[in-house]
Amino acid sequence: QQQVKQSPQSLIVQKGGIPIINCAYENTAFDYFPWYQQFPGKGPALLIAIRPDVSEKKEGRFTISFNKSAKQFSLHIMDSQPGDSATYFCAASWDSGAGSYQLTFGKGTKLSVIP
Amino acid sequence: NAGVTQTPKFRILKIGQSMTLQCTQDMNHNYMYWYRQDPGMGLKLIYYSVGAGITDKGEVPNGYNVSRSTTEDFPLRLELAAPSQTSVYFCASSVTGLGEYFGPGTRLTVL
Repeated sequence: QQQVKQSPQSLIVQKGGIPIINCAYENTAFDYFPWYQQFPGKGPALLIAIRPDVSEKKEGRFTISFNKSAKQFSLHIMDSQPGDSATYFCAASWDSGAGSYQLTFGKGTKLSVIP
Repeated sequence: NAGVTQTPKFRILKIGQSMTLQCTQDMNHNYMYWYRQDPGMGLKLIYYSVGAGITDKGEVPNGYNVSRSTTEDFPLRLELAAPSQTSVYFCASSVTGLGEYFGPGTRLTVL
């Protein structure tokens, strides 16, 4: 199966809170797990990504936690700000042959950070 | 660098009309992709290319065609537009096949 399940669909947190977005997958061939941030009217932008040989990765206020045995990964946003209000997509990628990777996206989480 | 550029930004088509969505990248990336995004559904891969002259189908290729004659350009062709093709279309490119850069999108409505 190529599906990636993302939850919740929407999330409201207060400024300074730590929103957590979760994703789960079935296909053990996935070997690259990126998160994308999308603002209204814009294209998605790569935020942070992780490989399955690492359990956690931090970049600034964004952290990915990865649980290989549970086939789950999550995005945490520390000290969230109103400017973080956007839609977040998890994705998973595998090598479909000859170095060709294809991304499978979750359905997205709309995050609102209120002042 | 302009990155990934897409034209047009918006388009309204009548059922049965044809059009080409243009995509150009100036980063010399070998990998290029076309996705469609429908509300609440994430992004789905339509076609991709690993280099000039090489293209392959993604998850939802029906009703679309692509060509890749140069490294920079990857146009998407809709031959007989249908209401089901109303969507936002994103082109993307990458160096290694990972870490894609997305364009700003084309919003297409088929009436």
